[in-house]
Amino acid sequence: DAGVTQSPTHLIKTRGQQVTLRCSPKSGHDTVSWYQQALGQGPQFIFQYYEEEERQRGNFPDRFSGHQFPNYSSELNVNALLLGDSALYLCASSLGTFTDTQYFGPGTRLTVL
Amino acid sequence: GDSVTQMEGPVTLSEEACLTINCTYTATGYPSLFWYVQYPGEGLQLLLKATKADDKGSNKGFEATYRKETTSFHLEKGSVQVSDSAVYFCAPWDTGRRALTFGSGTRLQVQP
Repeated sequence: DAGVTQSPTHLIKTRGQQVTLRCSPKSGHDTVSWYQQALGQGPQFIFQYYEEEERQRGNFPDRFSGHQFPNYSSELNVNALLLGDSALYLCASSLGTFTDTQYFGPGTRLTVL
Repeated sequence: GDSVTQMEGPVTLSEEACLTINCTYTATGYPSLFWYVQYPGEGLQLLLKATKADDKGSNKGFEATYRKETTSFHLEKGSVQVSDSAVYFCAPWDTGRRALTFGSGTRLQVQP
């Protein structure tokens, strides 16, 4: 049973660039949520995708955008990168937009120089 | 919005010692409650959950009881191992946002 997978594992970008992170949900899951975890902090909710639409959004600027594909995989895009965007980006999947049990992937470590 | 307060770490214990990590939260209604664990360099793993008052979640020797009156969900283990060294996160489910709200985490270090 395949768990949540994310790519790439690590990424280094410079300020002002754009980045795309990818996530494949756990087998059988149809909902993907993204979280940002700054160093030494707990994860913060960015947004949730279900049925290829953004359903809920946390307190993040619109530089952060996403997409969900028909196979339920998802992308997180961040434009105009800032130093403060350096973090571990975690993808979580679940079955249904209202389901409270989420399973996390290993994360993508983004470093902005 | 929801918020979580966890005891500050690091918590340093000797192998086979008893563990308690305190967690209190504020939330609307009576949300499901979760503990997640993060090993060094990894993502989050679901450790246990409880969905209603007085429920006890348990897994791998860890337990936590949903205390509605005190809005608490303390994590306990009777005998810790070196392999339990990790960061532990308490998280209530925010039904409005359909997302987890995490505390800052508590680092546990178990020494042989």
